Amino acid sequence: EAGVTQFPSHSVIEKGQTVTLRCDPISGHDNLYWYRRVMGKEIKFLLHFVKESKQDESGMPNNRFLAERTGGTYSTLKVQPAELEDSGVYFCASSQAGTYYDEQFFGPGTRLTVL
Amino acid sequence: AQSVTQLDSQVPVFEEAPVELRCNYSSSVSVYLFWYVQYPNQGLQLLLKYLSGSTLVKSINGFEAEFNKSQTSFHLRKPSVHISDTAEYFCAVSFSGGYNKLIFGAGTRLAVHP
Repeated sequence: EAGVTQFPSHSVIEKGQTVTLRCDPISGHDNLYWYRRVMGKEIKFLLHFVKESKQDESGMPNNRFLAERTGGTYSTLKVQPAELEDSGVYFCASSQAGTYYDEQFFGPGTRLTVL
Repeated sequence: AQSVTQLDSQVPVFEEAPVELRCNYSSSVSVYLFWYVQYPNQGLQLLLKYLSGSTLVKSINGFEAEFNKSQTSFHLRKPSVHISDTAEYFCAVSFSGGYNKLIFGAGTRLAVHP
């Protein structure tokens, strides 16, 4: 069974440009999460989808970030326009159920560098 | 609000020595505790978790963690480490009412030397 995949693995962009990150969850997992780790600090929650609906987007830093999950399968996270402080590693995770004890399976992350 | 503190950012240790990675949490509600591990160039993998019951939980590769409610801690231990245990370890909590959002500590890099 394929795990969570993320694309690209690395992205280097200029400040002000747009970047779109993609996450493909494990097949059959209705719950999809985005997290971000900035410069060796803690991994922070961004948002949680249940199928195509946003269950919790309390961690989204500002309106430059737009997450979508059309059709309830893969998800994209767009940053527009990117700022220097957006640099970091963006992780996607998925789980079958959305309860607090359900295991989340993580992808390898996308390392974003904004110059 | 909930928070997690990992007291050591880096822990160097020699092979076959014991190790303890410390994790403390703060929460006004009941929490559920996890340790994740990230090997180089890989995603995070669940190492072990505490939900309820016995406060000592164990992983298949020899790690164990003990939930201590009075000290709000969930330290990770292994009596004898291997080179292959070199990785970054993350302590995390979730809580009822928080859907399945995980709150992570800043991570501890374990470096096992021969």
